[in-house]
Amino acid sequence: EAAVTQSPRSKVAVTGGKVTLSCHQTNNHDYMYWYRQDTGHGLRLIHYSYVADSTEKGDIPDGYKASRPSQENFSLILELASLSQTAVYFCASSEPGEVFFGKGTRLTVV
Amino acid sequence: TQTVSQSDAHVTVFEGDSVELRCNYSYGGSIYLSWYIQHHGHGLQFLLKYYSGNPVVQGVNGFEAEFSKSDSSFHLRKASVHWSDSAVYFCAVSGVNTGNYKYVFGAGTRLKVIA
Repeated sequence: EAAVTQSPRSKVAVTGGKVTLSCHQTNNHDYMYWYRQDTGHGLRLIHYSYVADSTEKGDIPDGYKASRPSQENFSLILELASLSQTAVYFCASSEPGEVFFGKGTRLTVV
Repeated sequence: TQTVSQSDAHVTVFEGDSVELRCNYSYGGSIYLSWYIQHHGHGLQFLLKYYSGNPVVQGVNGFEAEFSKSDSSFHLRKASVHWSDSAVYFCAVSGVNTGNYKYVFGAGTRLKVIA
């Protein structure tokens, strides 16, 4: 059974709209992450968290907010979606030395 | 600054050939090194990791990787590839101290196996 579950798996959003991507983990991990992957490219870290009610900025946080209301849940929020935010988004949790990824959310901003 | 470099963006081999995917890193302090595989349209899956001890670590599906401190490298190898090994492979590095589990990934190497 999937230990990191993302929803939705795909979404089409309009420019300027608000988008919330959700992530739930059953690994009991402290660390959770949001990455974006653009076609043909690697992973870039947006936000991460190591404890509930606290989030940290990653390498590309501009235009994104994150929320960690509980150990199990970690959301990524795009308050004003833009065309440049079209990408695949991966949520992950980790234990020392190993990252567990969700299946990804394909976001298309039109 | 933590960096991971995968020098080969694309590697093409024939089924049954051996392959080595290269990974070099820059990181101060104790680290974890790991490799992940991403098949087209899917998420990343863990292959193997290294922290200490034997510099050659075994992973799933016949993959192994060798750590070299002197070269700051952690290259992934497979002795005989199968067409199903065609995928993108990512190398990653992270710190080992509590509060430092930020993972840095390389840009990935796309492996194409010709049947």
